Amino acid sequence: DADVTQTPRNRITKTGKRIMLECSQTKGHDRMYWYRQDPGLGLQLIYYSFDVKDINKGEISDGYSVSRQAQAKFSLSLESAIPNQTALYFCATSGNEDTGELFFGEGSRLTVL
Amino acid sequence: GQNIDQPTEMTATEGAIVQINCTYQTSGFNGLFWYQQHAGEAPTFLSYNVLDGLEEKGRFSSFLSRSKGYSYLLLKELQMKDSASYLCAVMDSNYQLIWGAGTKLIIKP
Repeated sequence: DADVTQTPRNRITKTGKRIMLECSQTKGHDRMYWYRQDPGLGLQLIYYSFDVKDINKGEISDGYSVSRQAQAKFSLSLESAIPNQTALYFCATSGNEDTGELFFGEGSRLTVL
Repeated sequence: GQNIDQPTEMTATEGAIVQINCTYQTSGFNGLFWYQQHAGEAPTFLSYNVLDGLEEKGRFSSFLSRSKGYSYLLLKELQMKDSASYLCAVMDSNYQLIWGAGTKLIIKP
């Protein structure tokens, strides 16, 4: 089983719908991240959390919100999806040291029509 | 602004050697990372450099020059399974990762 699990893996939705992407991890890491990946662009950080009570905006947080329900769970919501949020979304975790190695989930491909 | 530059695409031959370059301009520096990403899959960690010099790990090596803002990933004895995108990322002074757009490496028989 994967250490970092994302659901759903694929989702097609319509403009204006609310979407939640869920991430759970069994690595025991405190730090969790949500990234989006678009063709021709680097990974862009949406939100990150260093523990259950800590939520931080990344470089592209507008239109997104997150919830850190437990150490192992970090969910990403699109309150009202729009077509330019069509992308591949990755959840990632890292250990407590500042070495930066990230462990990624398998990705959630979201299409907004 | 912060910037990571790497070639968009490279082609190499099975069994050969290829060098993928990465140049960066960031607010501070706390390490440089290389990740491998096969199409449709998650990135996986390859290497981490924080001091100048060459780090070797099997067929893969990564080099860093902090004074030049430059790194390269060297892949030897190329195999077809090495066809993937290679992502360069730099950790800035706030310990945030800044990512390059990735280099798609195509291996030909």
